[in-house]
Amino acid sequence: DAGVIQSPRHEVTEMGQEVTLRCKPISGHNSLFWYRQTMMRGLELLIYFNNNVPIDDSGMPEDRFSAKMPNASFSTLKIQPSEPRDSAVYFCASGTESSYNEQFFGPGTRLTVL
Amino acid sequence: QKEVEQNSGPLSVPEGAIASLNCTYSDRGSQSFFWYRQYSGKSPELIMSIYSNGDKEDGRFTAQLNKASQYVSLLIRDSQPSDSATYLCALSHSSASKIIFGSGTRLSIRP
Repeated sequence: DAGVIQSPRHEVTEMGQEVTLRCKPISGHNSLFWYRQTMMRGLELLIYFNNNVPIDDSGMPEDRFSAKMPNASFSTLKIQPSEPRDSAVYFCASGTESSYNEQFFGPGTRLTVL
Repeated sequence: QKEVEQNSGPLSVPEGAIASLNCTYSDRGSQSFFWYRQYSGKSPELIMSIYSNGDKEDGRFTAQLNKASQYVSLLIRDSQPSDSATYLCALSHSSASKIIFGSGTRLSIRP
């Protein structure tokens, strides 16, 4: 079975540009999570969805960040405009209620904002 | 106080020995506990889940949960150099809720 799929795997952009990160969760999973990881701050939860509905977006750093989940098999995380301090690895993870909330991570997108 | 506390390490263990990783948590209502392994430059990988007090064994790995004392531990027997990684302790309060991660313990297995 395919795991969580993320694209792109690497993104280099200039400050002020819009960045869109994509995620396809594991088929059958109804929870989806977006995380950001940096050396300084560790692994931070940005937002999570249950059954395509955003449940908790308290980790979204500011209005420049937005996330959508239009259907059960696709989610996006958008940063507009991007800033150098957004440089990090962004992970998407998915899980199900029936698995006691186990989460499975995608390979991540390494974002560099110049 | 952080909800999940781990010693950042590095923890250095000789090859073949038992590596012991510990984690404490503050919320007694926590229900599910997890250990993730993260190699440098890779994503976290779930290696153990535990929900009840006691021990749970899977191969060389044993997870231990003590809800009364609010700690979770991970034992790695016969440590191998390939076990060198950062180990993240995590928990959730209920199903369909978020997981809260500790900051991780860096483990180094020396040959």
